[in-house]
Amino acid sequence: DVKVTQSSRYLVKRTGEKVFLECVQDMDHENMFWYRQDPGLGLRLIYFSYDVKMKEKGDIPEGYSVSREKKERFSLILESASTNQTSMYLCASSLAGASGYTFGSGTRLTVV
Amino acid sequence: DQQVKQNSPSLSVQEGRISILNCDYTNSMFDYFLWYKKYPAEGPTFLISISSIKDKNEDGRFTVFLNKSAKHLSLHIVPSQPGDSAVYFCAASKIIFGKGTRLHILP
Repeated sequence: DVKVTQSSRYLVKRTGEKVFLECVQDMDHENMFWYRQDPGLGLRLIYFSYDVKMKEKGDIPEGYSVSREKKERFSLILESASTNQTSMYLCASSLAGASGYTFGSGTRLTVV
Repeated sequence: DQQVKQNSPSLSVQEGRISILNCDYTNSMFDYFLWYKKYPAEGPTFLISISSIKDKNEDGRFTVFLNKSAKHLSLHIVPSQPGDSAVYFCAASKIIFGKGTRLHILP
């Protein structure tokens, strides 16, 4: 069974803090993705990566950056957290092609 | 502009009846579509997909229909069960998701 593990289920951070959200997958998937889920807005893609060191902006990259130094790990970084970044963050991974994603359980981030 | 639209934010269906969730898309270049199911406080789980070269794909109680001329796909769940109560997301070519439809199965 593919596992996608997000390091924290719940996180509370202060405005202006630098925040790291970690995601690790154990099935050698090439593709990894970061989404945020907000009520009424569905899943919105922040960044994705098709290989180590590669990254591409999704629909809402502003205020975020990512790091993929190893194939199994894809980190989302909030350089200076703001209250509008309070959300559920979901990491996913997949093989290339038409296979579905496997999602992690999500990290609910609250910025106060 | 949304490329994938789920126009019904919620849907209530009697247990045992058919649930039909709809999804419209704008880009005829999408080569496959996927449906995901999400429970609260969990990540979405992949349900079923369909390639753009097919018009139907079936997996147990779940069937997805694709109407390319109308740029419309639908997910049918028959019969609906209480455990099907969740939010369902339609996605195009993996990356682009609709806003989701919350399905309530009524006893």
